[in-house]
Amino acid sequence: EIVLTQSPGTLSLSPGERATLSCRASQSVNSFFLGWYQQKPGQAPRLLIYGASNRATGIPDRFSGSGSGTDFALTINRLEPEDFAVYYCQQAGASPWTFGQGTKVEI
Amino acid sequence: QVQLQESGPGLVKPSETLSLTCSVSGGSISTHYWSWIRLPPGKGLEWIGFISNSGSTTYNPSLKSRITISLHTSKNQFSLSLTSVTAADTAVYYCARHLVGVRVFDYWGQGSLVTVSS
Repeated sequence: EIVLTQSPGTLSLSPGERATLSCRASQSVNSFFLGWYQQKPGQAPRLLIYGASNRATGIPDRFSGSGSGTDFALTINRLEPEDFAVYYCQQAGASPWTFGQGTKVEI
Repeated sequence: QVQLQESGPGLVKPSETLSLTCSVSGGSISTHYWSWIRLPPGKGLEWIGFISNSGSTTYNPSLKSRITISLHTSKNQFSLSLTSVTAADTAVYYCARHLVGVRVFDYWGQGSLVTVSS
């Protein structure tokens, strides 16, 4: 099973700042099958990024994804108040598909 | 606009079977693949398994012996059955649609909290 380790666990930032979230895989992941999600309390996760670097429909361009192999990142430029949430990476290159444990971005 | 809605009992007794249904509206169930995912309290997301638009399934090996995912095309629904539940199966259960070809989830239900308790 591919274990995804996200860091940091919590990121404390202010609106307008940049957030950089890391997702490290225990073995190489086909970047075609790497995604990022945002989840707010009481809501379902929302797809942000697929294929490691492609924004999903309707996602603002302040969200960007990068990386390959075992190291991936999600960057949020100019944090907006609505961006404070938990973020998960997910891989589907090998079964079982797995998620990271999440990074909480808080004010 | 595609919408997914989970339904089923919110409380299941230990050793019994958890059954959930996902109703899909705004699109055909026959054009995509569909997954079940859960979020246990205080933990991260866990993928349970998926079903293709032709009815073939792939399950998480950690749950494989207890899971059945089925497609109900005429009703535009799919379902999850999880047998022999324990307290460790308490979670919010989500149904989700796969974005074509890339194995991520572009539409999700709101989630259904299932508690396993006597």
